[in-house]
Amino acid sequence: ETGVTQSPTHLIKTRGQQVTLRCSSQSGHNTVSWYQQALGQGPQFIFQYYREEENGRGNFPPRFSGLQFPNYSSELNVNALELDDSALYLCASSLGNLPNEQFFGPGTRLTVL
Amino acid sequence: KQEVTQIPAALSVPEGENLVLNCSFTDSAIYNLQWFRQDPGKGLTSLLLIQSSQREQTSGRLNASLDKSSGRSTLYIAASQPGDSATYLCAVPGGTSYGKLTFGQGTILTVHP
Repeated sequence: ETGVTQSPTHLIKTRGQQVTLRCSSQSGHNTVSWYQQALGQGPQFIFQYYREEENGRGNFPPRFSGLQFPNYSSELNVNALELDDSALYLCASSLGNLPNEQFFGPGTRLTVL
Repeated sequence: KQEVTQIPAALSVPEGENLVLNCSFTDSAIYNLQWFRQDPGKGLTSLLLIQSSQREQTSGRLNASLDKSSGRSTLYIAASQPGDSATYLCAVPGGTSYGKLTFGQGTILTVHP
């Protein structure tokens, strides 16, 4: 059974640029959630996708957008990067649209200069 | 709005000690509660998931309890080891999005030899 994977591991961007982060779900999972974790804080929910449809969104501006593909992998896109977007971005997969156990990937560390 | 609080924020103990980490949540209408471990700069590892109908869940040296009515959960670690050093996070689903996890700030645990 393959766990959740994320790419890239680290990324450095400058303010105003755009970034795409990728996530592959654990085998058999059809739900993906994205979280942002600032240093020293707990993760904050960005949004969730279930069967390619957005299934809930946290308090993040529209420049944070996502996609889920037919194979249930997912992308997080952030436009017009700001310094405060520097964080660890975590992807989690689960089964179904009920709040079942979520399994997290290793994260992508984004630094915005 | 669901809020999750973890006490203490940090804990330093000698190897071999039994310890308790605390998690409290404001909205007791939870579906389940999940405990995670996070090593520095890494993703989250799921430790235990307690369903709302359960009072306890055990895995090896870990035991988690849940008291929904009082909005509390505890994670008990028996015979702590230096390898247990990490940040421990609790999370509950719900709020604006059914699949959204709301996290506490975490407890930073250091077990010294």
